[in-house]
Amino acid sequence: GQQVMQIPQYQHVQEGEDFTTYCNSSTTLSNIQWYKQRPGGHPVFLIQLVKSGEVKKQKRLTFQFGEAKKNSSLHITATQTTDVGTYFCAHQGAGNMLTFGGGTRLMVKP
Amino acid sequence: DAGVIQSPRHEVTEMGQEVTLRCKPISGHDYLFWYRQTMMRGLELLIYFNNNVPIDDSGMPEDRFSAKMPNASFSTLKIQPSEPRDSAVYFCASSIYRGLSYGYTFGSGTRLTVV
Repeated sequence: GQQVMQIPQYQHVQEGEDFTTYCNSSTTLSNIQWYKQRPGGHPVFLIQLVKSGEVKKQKRLTFQFGEAKKNSSLHITATQTTDVGTYFCAHQGAGNMLTFGGGTRLMVKP
Repeated sequence: DAGVIQSPRHEVTEMGQEVTLRCKPISGHDYLFWYRQTMMRGLELLIYFNNNVPIDDSGMPEDRFSAKMPNASFSTLKIQPSEPRDSAVYFCASSIYRGLSYGYTFGSGTRLTVV
């Protein structure tokens, strides 16, 4: 499947600070999905983006799909300790097969 | 809905032993996926099924790994013989697909340790 690269790999923030993770591809993506995995847990589906320039919000989380559909971002406003975990982007390729990025591990200092 | 159910949650076995991991997908989901997660390699797709038929097993590491889906409500991933490098968390996920994915639902995973 198409490769998606995520940066940064790790991010430490103070509680209340904002956080952003980026997902990039060298080729056009048909869609992007975002997942969150809590420490010791399993990935949980957050959202899917399919349209060029699409922006979706879930409370303090804002998801964007780039105009060229080659990149995506997840932004968390005013992080809380409950936001701790690893955030993955994933691209759905042919046949409903998801290819995951390497993930960004978010750590929040209270 | 109980979600995707995996068993066992933890498995510790000795090198050379056979290991069988089990998965019950969400009823009505027509796709089932087996992933392996390690710190070094992240989330790797091993194999996936559509309507109980294996579609792509190119991620299966070697012949020691095999997977079956005898019916829509059950799948197994078998490792025989197991090796220490197989130690990882194995996730099963299921999804429904109607031209567009609606996201995967993952099980809680099986943490496998081969000593």
